[in-house]
Amino acid sequence: QLQLQESGPGLVKPSETLSLTCTVSGDSISGPNYFWGWIRQPPGKGLEWIGNVFYTGDTYYNPSLKSRVTISVDTSKTQFSLRLSSVTAADTAVYYCARLRRFADYVQYWGQGTLVTVSS
Amino acid sequence: QSALTQPPSASGSPGQSVTISCTGTSSDVGGYDFVSWYQQHPGKVPKLMIYEVNKWSSGVPDRFSGSKSGNTASLTVSGLQAEDEADYYCSSYAGSNTYVFGTGTKVTVL
Repeated sequence: QLQLQESGPGLVKPSETLSLTCTVSGDSISGPNYFWGWIRQPPGKGLEWIGNVFYTGDTYYNPSLKSRVTISVDTSKTQFSLRLSSVTAADTAVYYCARLRRFADYVQYWGQGTLVTVSS
Repeated sequence: QSALTQPPSASGSPGQSVTISCTGTSSDVGGYDFVSWYQQHPGKVPKLMIYEVNKWSSGVPDRFSGSKSGNTASLTVSGLQAEDEADYYCSSYAGSNTYVFGTGTKVTVL
């Protein structure tokens, strides 16, 4: 059974960079049929797709966040990471890492989510 | 890329049916048969219910069904049960390996 586990600071200061890592276990991160992605949910609000990475390192981002987001993959560690720069309070959210099924385009597996609060 | 539009709330009595709409554009919902639906109970991780417009995820009862017409997709829950009370989100492929979620609908079982 695939498992995804987010890790990283739960508190980030405004204007700084939010960094999270997702560790994948139970399956290869190098499969051709999947994207590895980040999705967030502000408290009491809806889901927002942040972006995906393919095992080759190819990335795809939400246009509204593209200027601040970097997603990368480390296949040797079976991990992928999110960096979101110049954060503000509006970036406070539960951040989920996920596996998306390519060619059917749905979120197949979700991590448990980690709350990141932006505050001084 | 704007969020897909869903009604904020929907409700029905046990045994009744409720339908949730998900309206996008020809660049997302209308352009691809890659609409999926997720159920989220409070404090829980979203759960895939429907994918590719009308295919059931493993273990999802057939009381849940999906459809699409033009730029609007719909999720129907028939025979409402207490455990169906949750938030529901649609999602669509939006081209160039990008995705968009809906605004979410809170379903209440009266």
